[in-house]
Amino acid sequence: SAVISQKPSRDICQRGTSLTIQCQVDSQVTMMFWYRQQPGQSLTLIATANQGSEATYESGFVIDKFPISRPNLTFSTLTVSNMSPEDSSIYLCSVEREGGSQETQYFGPGTRLLVL
Amino acid sequence: GESVGLHLPTLSVQEGDNSIINCAYSNSASDYFIWYKQESGKGPQFIIDIRSNMDKRQGQRVTVLLNKTVKHLSLQIAATQPGDSAVYFCAENSGYSTLTFGKGTMLLVSP
Repeated sequence: SAVISQKPSRDICQRGTSLTIQCQVDSQVTMMFWYRQQPGQSLTLIATANQGSEATYESGFVIDKFPISRPNLTFSTLTVSNMSPEDSSIYLCSVEREGGSQETQYFGPGTRLLVL
Repeated sequence: GESVGLHLPTLSVQEGDNSIINCAYSNSASDYFIWYKQESGKGPQFIIDIRSNMDKRQGQRVTVLLNKTVKHLSLQIAATQPGDSAVYFCAENSGYSTLTFGKGTMLLVSP
């Protein structure tokens, strides 16, 4: 499985500010994804981070609110912009790697965000 | 037995019992399914997966069963241990590598 790290691991932010979350993988991967997990809830896909092109966003998520960068095959960032308390969540990156029956997604440890 | 918590259904078992966690998926076109385990303060951890051309797959102490007729997936954990206490999520892949996650079940194992 991939070794995936995220920074920061947690943060407390004031409303109206922005936070950039980093995701680093130990080897090159084609597919990287960003998810949100609201308190006590399941995971919801925000977007697929594409290397060399704009991210592909899921319904309900927009680039202005969640800009994503993917400068190379081992790194991606997700920015949560103009934060409100409703953005308090765990933000997770995942990568697709060989494992199990086929290529599958492995997750980072998550970034726990609290917006006051 | 099972109970419904504020956010997640909960399964409480005794150490050594077998646990069965169920999941109903939504898309009949989904062709790949994964079970993840998420411990408190951690990201989801891959447990086991199954392709739609199979109805059963076994790992170490875990078995996944797939019933495509009723769109049902289950995870069986043999000889459940306190370290198995976590939230378990099923996920389905209906194409383009994107996963759709189920609501999750909290497993509580009492020593």
